[in-house]
Amino acid sequence: DQQVKQNSPSLSVQEGRISILNCDYTNSMFDYFLWYKKYPAEGPTFLISISSIKDKNEDGRFTVFLNKSAKHLSLHIVPSQPGDSAVYFCAASESSNYQLIWGAGTKLIIKP
Amino acid sequence: DAMVIQNPRYQVTQFGKPVTLSCSQTLNHNVMYWYQQKSSQAPKLLFHYYDKDFNNEADTPDNFQSRRPNTSFCFLDIRSPGLGDAAMYLCATSRDRSSETQYFGPGTRLLVL
Repeated sequence: DQQVKQNSPSLSVQEGRISILNCDYTNSMFDYFLWYKKYPAEGPTFLISISSIKDKNEDGRFTVFLNKSAKHLSLHIVPSQPGDSAVYFCAASESSNYQLIWGAGTKLIIKP
Repeated sequence: DAMVIQNPRYQVTQFGKPVTLSCSQTLNHNVMYWYQQKSSQAPKLLFHYYDKDFNNEADTPDNFQSRRPNTSFCFLDIRSPGLGDAAMYLCATSRDRSSETQYFGPGTRLLVL
């Protein structure tokens, strides 16, 4: 049973436009959510996180939105740049458990 | 810069020949994790250390062992690598165990011949 779902395996966006990556979860006990970016042959790089007490967190070009009632979060990248082309993983955790529960990832392709 | 370092970046071993991968961190984090990642799948947690306390995942094969001699270093030992163990091995750290960001090293790509 997948507790964290990224339903789009890939997404293609024009350079300069907004990229929106989506993530859904089923476990209402999750209280901390993270986005990681991964280039081929490298480890995941932490991008941005959000606690369940917030509905938005912003860091430069990256904004994460959390909708707890819908159990949905999204990552907005604006403007999208060629270097943003990578696989993006959504992950979640709950305060009583050390494990990060990962989505399957979305491959983002930024077209010049 | 504070970081998570993994050596080597690429490791080639023979079927059945023991191999050790290393990880060090300058973040002074209490928790260190080892993950296995194949192709672009999500990382799979093998085990973690909370300080000196070792925690094995239920489905981690006995072939995989770990050592943490001090706060900064953690090792992954694969006693008898099989072809199915070829993967990227990721080390990560976090300050504490729950609701904390995990920071990953660059990974070691293991090839088994």
